Amino acid sequence: DQQVKQNSPSLSVQEGRISILNCDYTNSMFDYFLWYKKYPAEGPTFLISISSIKDKNEDGRFTVFLNKSAKHLSLHIVPSQPGDSAVYFCAASAFHDADKLIFGTGTRLQVFP
Amino acid sequence: EAGVTQSPTHLIKTRGQQATLRCSPISGHTSVYWYQQALGLGLQFLLWYDEGEERNRGNFPPRFSGRQFPNYSSELNVNALELEDSALYLCASSYGQGATDTQYFGPGTRLTVL
Repeated sequence: DQQVKQNSPSLSVQEGRISILNCDYTNSMFDYFLWYKKYPAEGPTFLISISSIKDKNEDGRFTVFLNKSAKHLSLHIVPSQPGDSAVYFCAASAFHDADKLIFGTGTRLQVFP
Repeated sequence: EAGVTQSPTHLIKTRGQQATLRCSPISGHTSVYWYQQALGLGLQFLLWYDEGEERNRGNFPPRFSGRQFPNYSSELNVNALELEDSALYLCASSYGQGATDTQYFGPGTRLTVL
């Protein structure tokens, strides 16, 4: 049972445009959400997070939006750069099990010139 | 500052054998997490160690086990290897406990079971 779903395995965006990566979850107990970026042959690196008490968190070019009623979050990258090309993982945790991150399957983003 | 390190980079075993994977956390981090990334699946939580104790485990059989040493490094042991254990195994460390403490990942060990 996949509690965190990233339904788009890949996304291709032109440099300078907006990249929107989506993530859906099924567990209503999840209250903390994170995005990780992973380059080939490297471990995932933390990108940005959001708590369920907020609906938006912004860090430079990266913004995460959370829609609790729809159990949906998205990561916006504006403007997209070729160096953003990587696999992006969405992850979630529940307060009572905070150490256990549940990851999605990832979305491969390719930013082309 | 050195990041999380894992060894070996690659490991090839045959069915029924045992595999031992190692992880050294970032200096000062006391929590170590193990994840499995199998082909087509997301990262799946395996184990969490903190201060030498197993604190939580994911939905994996008991043949997946490990330990954390006094220096906070950790081993993941997989006994009676099966073909479907072939995956990338990632270790992460954090300073505190809980998901709000950012987990820093190592490069992973790719285990192939033949």
